[in-house]
Amino acid sequence: AQSVTQLGSHVSVSEGALVLLRCNYSSSVPPYLFWYVQYPNQGLQLLLKYTSAATLVKGINGFEAEFKKSETSFHLTKPSAHMSDAAEYFCAVSDRSYQKVTFGTGTKLQVIP
Amino acid sequence: GAVVSQHPSRVICKSGTSVKIECRSLDFQATTMFWYRQFPKQSLMLMATSNEGSKATYEQGVEKDKFLINHASLTLSTLTVTSAHPEDSSFYICSARDTSRDRGNIQYFGAGTRLSVL
Repeated sequence: AQSVTQLGSHVSVSEGALVLLRCNYSSSVPPYLFWYVQYPNQGLQLLLKYTSAATLVKGINGFEAEFKKSETSFHLTKPSAHMSDAAEYFCAVSDRSYQKVTFGTGTKLQVIP
Repeated sequence: GAVVSQHPSRVICKSGTSVKIECRSLDFQATTMFWYRQFPKQSLMLMATSNEGSKATYEQGVEKDKFLINHASLTLSTLTVTSAHPEDSSFYICSARDTSRDRGNIQYFGAGTRLSVL
C-alpha cells in the first residue's frame, strides 16, 4: 500500500520569499515520487519526479525537491516565489511497476504581492 | 514533451442524457490511460485504468455501467457517462502513459473536462 500526506492545504508566501510545500509518503517498496501543479480548470502538469537517481531533483520553473528516505519526505521548494506560482500542487507516489499513482490532497499556494 | 488532448473542455447537459469525453495521446502511443475524477477542493480520485484492446479495470465503488470506458486504439480512450445525474457533475481528467520510450513511466495529463448536469 502507498500513500502521501501533504501538510497544509493552504500555504501563503510573499512574492520573493521561499516556497516550501511538504509531502510525506508511505510505501512498502522503494517509491517513485512526483510533484504536479494544477492551475484553475486545467489538468496537471509535471513539475519534477524522483525515480531513484539523484536524491535532489530539479524541475521546471525553478522548483526542486529532495528525497529523504530517513524522513520519508519529498518536500518541494523554490527559493523565490513569483506571482505566477500561485496554483495547487499535488504530491504523488507510485511503485516501480507504476500500476497505480496515489495523489495527495493538494496544497493551494497563494503568493502575496 | 508528450501531449494529451482531452475534449470537450466543458459540457453542460440535461439529467438523463449521456456524455462522451475523449482522451487522445497526440505524439505517442498510450497502451494505458487513466481516468480520474476531481471533486472541488479535493485530490484526484482514480476511477479506472484503461488498457488498449482490453476491458478497463475499475476502482472499487466506481460503477462500470455508469462510466463506460473504451480504449479501442493506442491513441484514444473514451469515457461515457451514461444517464448523467447532477451528482455526476465534476471535473474529469484523463492521463496517458507511454511505456514504449523512456518517459520514466510518467503520466501525462489532459486539460480536464468540466461536466455540469442540470
